[in-house]
Amino acid sequence: AQRVTQPEKLLSVFKGAPVELKCNYSYSGSPELFWYVQYSRQRLQLLLRHISRESIKGFTADLNKGETSFHLKKPFAQEEDSAMYYCALVRNAGNMLTFGGGTRLMVKP
Amino acid sequence: DAGITQSPRYKITETGRQVTLMCHQTWSHSYMFWYRQDLGHGLRLIYYSAAADITDKGEVPDGYVVSRSKTENFPLTLESATRSQTSVYFCASSESGVGKTQYFGPGTRLLVL
Repeated sequence: AQRVTQPEKLLSVFKGAPVELKCNYSYSGSPELFWYVQYSRQRLQLLLRHISRESIKGFTADLNKGETSFHLKKPFAQEEDSAMYYCALVRNAGNMLTFGGGTRLMVKP
Repeated sequence: DAGITQSPRYKITETGRQVTLMCHQTWSHSYMFWYRQDLGHGLRLIYYSAAADITDKGEVPDGYVVSRSKTENFPLTLESATRSQTSVYFCASSESGVGKTQYFGPGTRLLVL
């Protein structure tokens, strides 16, 4: 069965500090993973996907198959990064996502 | 973002009543999804649809019914609402293909008394 685990419900850091939001997954196959973000009063939206290997808003995420992890990182947090972050895994067929429980990031001034 | 809308945005109902949540998208996306968002559970898939007249169950389908007679609409019906169905409901759509970006609606907050 597919499962996505985000161990931290809340992560609070100061502006300028590094951020790492943890995501672990279980999946029997080659995974495709995503980070979605929901800013206050905005819709849930895609932040990045592991296939693209891109950096969005300073965030990066590397897929580590050995540790079955897809942690989201940013070297210097900004106040505007405060949001709810969801890690998600796409299922084998179709395009159904399995989401983790989410981590609320609070960046304090 | 305006391409996918949900109505109503807020709904209060009573246990046992039937409630229908509407979802409409203007992109002609083939896939549409319904999720519920609950604290500690993240988003869980209720139902999805790969095309008009094709629907299938997700993780938590019990107590819900969907239909998709037109590509652009994907209503979700709670046949007999229960308090455990108090939640925020999100509709999403995507193009066909594994890993395609899902675009989410603004959500419907449902309270079942």
